[in-house]
Amino acid sequence: AQKITQTQPGMFVQEKEAVTLDCTYDTSDPSYGLFWYKQPSSGEMIFLIYQGSYDQQNATEGRYSLNFQKARKSANLVISASQLGDSAMYFCAMREWSDDKVIFGPGTSLSVIP
Amino acid sequence: DADVTQTPRNRITKTGKRIMLECSQTKGHDRMYWYRQDPGLGLRLIYYSFDVKDINKGEISDGYSVSRQAQAKFSLSLESAIPNQTALYFCATSDLSRTEWYEQYFGPGTRLTVT
Repeated sequence: AQKITQTQPGMFVQEKEAVTLDCTYDTSDPSYGLFWYKQPSSGEMIFLIYQGSYDQQNATEGRYSLNFQKARKSANLVISASQLGDSAMYFCAMREWSDDKVIFGPGTSLSVIP
Repeated sequence: DADVTQTPRNRITKTGKRIMLECSQTKGHDRMYWYRQDPGLGLRLIYYSFDVKDINKGEISDGYSVSRQAQAKFSLSLESAIPNQTALYFCATSDLSRTEWYEQYFGPGTRLTVT
């Protein structure tokens, strides 16, 4: 069964606008972490942000924030004030404490339009 | 110098050949992972290792084998390469003993083409 779902294969956003990339997950483990990675065209994987299942507040890192809705099992990434350099693939991932494996979603391709 | 290195960075090989992809890390992490990335499928876990004596299969281990020669080295082998193993391969490390238990550090990737 798919544990991480990203329903948007591709998205466009105007420069300086905010954009939300969707991610839903499935787990029965009460302890888990959710991550977002960015993969630019150069191919490297860049860690962006982390949210723990017990964290009370949504995680934020600069222009990135994670909209964590635990009951809905969603962990959407919000990028504020998009920049041209934000054009990349974005992957949502989950790590279950009991399993220690990191499972990735299929990714969303974001294109920022000038 | 990069903390996680992969060699080779690019490789073209023929069907049926044996090939080894190597990963080295200087982070001192105990956990190492091999993933493959295919378009539209994200990263899928091939094998992972918690330490030198602990190696585990991931979601797609068929056709692959691994060797953890030392804490810092984790190699992935394709015993008899086939075209559908053409993909981008990533090595990653992490360390549950540190406060940032959640973060994985990725190598630059190896682009493998099997003809």
